[in-house]
Amino acid sequence: DAKTTQPPSMDCAEGRAANLPCNHSTISGNEYVYWYRQIHSQGPQYIIHGLKNNETNEMASLIITEDRKSSTLILPHATLRDTAVYYCIVRVARRGLTGGGNKLTFGTGTQLKVEL
Amino acid sequence: DAGVIQSPRHEVTEMGQEVTLRCKPISGHNSLFWYRQTMMRGLELLIYFNNNVPIDDSGMPEDRFSAKMPNASFSTLKIQPSEPRDSAVYFCASSGTGITEAFFGQGTRLTVV
Repeated sequence: DAKTTQPPSMDCAEGRAANLPCNHSTISGNEYVYWYRQIHSQGPQYIIHGLKNNETNEMASLIITEDRKSSTLILPHATLRDTAVYYCIVRVARRGLTGGGNKLTFGTGTQLKVEL
Repeated sequence: DAGVIQSPRHEVTEMGQEVTLRCKPISGHNSLFWYRQTMMRGLELLIYFNNNVPIDDSGMPEDRFSAKMPNASFSTLKIQPSEPRDSAVYFCASSGTGITEAFFGQGTRLTVV
């Protein structure tokens, strides 16, 4: 799996958008970008993933650059409950892949602190 | 579904004792993963199973660690004998064919004194 680089920490005011960057310059054509987060003392939680198109779900939006070498996770209206470590992970994913394809290699992530 | 269930949530044991951590994956999932999290090394994959068969155990730190999955609804991670450096939070996760994400349990916080 391709290596990712994230800033160690970021701050965000509650109610504002939190934009978390991730560099993955060695990403391969068949690798997806995944985002997970880990709220203190809990297990990691899936947020969103994408290949090359921008993606949006009820939690966040994922913007992937055209060359796919970087991406940004956007939490449109951050709340105090979004304070967590956010992990950007690049891995292969394809339809029909066994569950073992969800083997994840975690980096150090970005500690997002949302403040009043 | 109750999600991935791990037990115990906390375990304190003395050095040299055997420790067994337990995991019940989400029903219908056929892949199960064991991770360890420490401040120094972050989240590390120890081993994963597919259809109850260990596929990759390259992350298991040493022979003191062993994992089993006797059936689709239960897995154990055993440390014998335990050492203080094994103190960590151990997470179990499950996933399945056609499922694009892994679901994690709440973890077991192990302290070896």
